[in-house]
Amino acid sequence: AQSVTQLDSHVSVSEGTPVLLRCNYSSSYSPSLFWYVQHPNKGLQLLLKYTSAATLVKGINGFEAEFKKSETSFHLTKPSAHMSDAAEYFCVVSESDSSYKLIFGSGTRLLVRP
Amino acid sequence: ETGVTQTPRHLVMGMTNKKSLKCEQHLGHNAMYWYKQSAKKPLELMFVYNFKEQTENNSVPSRFSPECPNSSHLFLHLHTLQPEDSALYLCASSQGGDIDEQFFGPGTRLTVL
Repeated sequence: AQSVTQLDSHVSVSEGTPVLLRCNYSSSYSPSLFWYVQHPNKGLQLLLKYTSAATLVKGINGFEAEFKKSETSFHLTKPSAHMSDAAEYFCVVSESDSSYKLIFGSGTRLLVRP
Repeated sequence: ETGVTQTPRHLVMGMTNKKSLKCEQHLGHNAMYWYKQSAKKPLELMFVYNFKEQTENNSVPSRFSPECPNSSHLFLHLHTLQPEDSALYLCASSQGGDIDEQFFGPGTRLTVL
């Protein structure tokens, strides 16, 4: 069965410094992976997705993620954090036999200090 | 705007009440979803509708009853809920097909007293 683990429940960075949100997945096949962001009182918004094309995936708002099969990781990065990046981030994997069934990680709350 | 709206945004109800949550998508999608988001737990898929037909019921208690009258509207009827059902209920939609992006609404914050 597919699963996803977000290694940090909270990450705190200073504005202008790099962001790293860690995600490891478990899958018996080549998965599709996603990062979603949820701002307070808002729905989830797709940041980026990996579907077996390029291993380095660029998303919105300057975020990117790299699929590393050998490490079963899909970490989310951004070179320079902005105050507006403060939100909760979810790493997501799709189930093998049902593309519409998404398995969500427990989330990482990103805090950005001025 | 994500193109998926949910009403009401907040709901407080007693355990004996009957209420309904409404979701509408303006994106021309064919699939719609209900998720439950509880504090400190991963998002849980509850129901999936594809072309108005229910294709997934993820072992959800019968006190939650979904309804999908057409591809644009999805309801979640609530009856005799428990306090542990208090959560954020999110609706999503997708075009359908293979590995599709799901578009989420802002959610309904439900509190059961």
